[in-house]
Order: sequence, then C-alpha cells, then structure tokens
Amino acid sequence: DIQMTQSPSSLSASVGDRVTITCRASQNILSYLNWYRLSPGKAPKLLIYATSTLEGGVPSRFSGSGSGTDFSLTINGLQPEDFATYFCHQSYSSPLTFGGGTKVEIK
Amino acid sequence: QVQLQQWGAGLLKPSETLSLTCAVYGGSFSDYSWTWIRQPPGKGLEWIGEINQGLGTDYNPSLKSRVTISTHTSKSQVSLSLSSVTAADTAVYYCARRDRRSGSYNKIDHWGQGTLVTVSS
Repeated sequence: DIQMTQSPSSLSASVGDRVTITCRASQNILSYLNWYRLSPGKAPKLLIYATSTLEGGVPSRFSGSGSGTDFSLTINGLQPEDFATYFCHQSYSSPLTFGGGTKVEIK
Repeated sequence: QVQLQQWGAGLLKPSETLSLTCAVYGGSFSDYSWTWIRQPPGKGLEWIGEINQGLGTDYNPSLKSRVTISTHTSKSQVSLSLSSVTAADTAVYYCARRDRRSGSYNKIDHWGQGTLVTVSS
C-alpha cells in the first residue's frame, strides 16, 4: 500500500492568512494527488486534483503543487469556511489511501 | 448537478451486518466508479472499496473478507454490506463517485453526506 504522510496534523491561523499543508507519498505517484476539505456536517469537497488542477467552482485562493512523492496545498487568504480538516489522497493505485488529515483552526 | 443521498441503520450490535445504500441523482451512473470510504472517530479516511460496471469490484485487502459492494443500475443505487461488525467498524461511512475517465486522474469528485454507524452492545 502507498502510505501518505501529511503535515502538520493541525495548525492555528487567522482569517486572511496564508497556510501550506504538505503531503508525502511512500512511492512515486506521478501527479495522482488530490486534496479535499472536510467540514462538520457537510459532504467532503474536492478542491484540487492531479496535483494542481482546481476543481470546478473552487476559489482561486486554493493552489496545489508537487510531483512524484512530495506535494503541497496552499490557501492564500483563509476565509471563515476554510477552517476545516484537509486530506490528501493518492488515486494512483489500489488500495486508495489518504493522508492523516490537517485540522485548520482559528487562532 | 450530481447528488449522492445515502441511508442505512445507524446502530448495530457486534457480529451484525452493516448495510448502507446510496442513491445517485444527476449525471451518468454507468460511466463512473462508485466508492465507499469511512472515517472512524478522530481518525483519518479509509477506502473500503468500489464498483465499476466494466471493471467489477475492488476491495481494500484489510476488509475484503467482510465487504460486498453492489449496484442496482436501474435505480442508480450502490450498496455496501459489511459483515461481522465490531466496535472497530464504528465510523462515518461515505459513498462517493470516482471519475476514472482519461484526464480525470481517478479523482473522487462527489461525496454523500455521510452516515454515522455505531457498533455497540
């Protein structure tokens, strides 16, 4: 199985801040890396797929980068709805696996 | 607009069988893979398995002996069955759509709202 290591596990930030979350795969997954936001009581939301492609309707404050084994998600200008938990996910091979999650909390 | 609406029993006793169903509204049902994912309390996401009309089923080896995923294509529904549950199976269960078409990078692009299933005696 491909292990996905995500960091940090939590962070505190303020509205308007820039935050970066990283994700490392245990083997090369090319660009098959996706990012999701989980908010309490809501369906998880796909933000970015294929490492850096913004899903339709997702604000441009979200961006992704990386390749191979090292990836990152950056949020430029945190908004109130962004205080949530974020997961990376590799869709390169079965079994599909996810990072441990990063909880973004209000400072 | 694609919507996934899921339902099923929320409280089970150990050794019982978990059964959840997910109805898909909007979009093509047969063009996608249908996936189940769970999140135990305080933990990360775990892929359970998926089904695709052309590719069949694929299950997480850690759960394979207890899992069955099936579809009712005419109703655009996908079902999950997990047998012999224990407290370790307590989790929020999600159904989701996976796009495996060329250029989509196998992304999971639509999710249900989740169903909390608690296993307790």
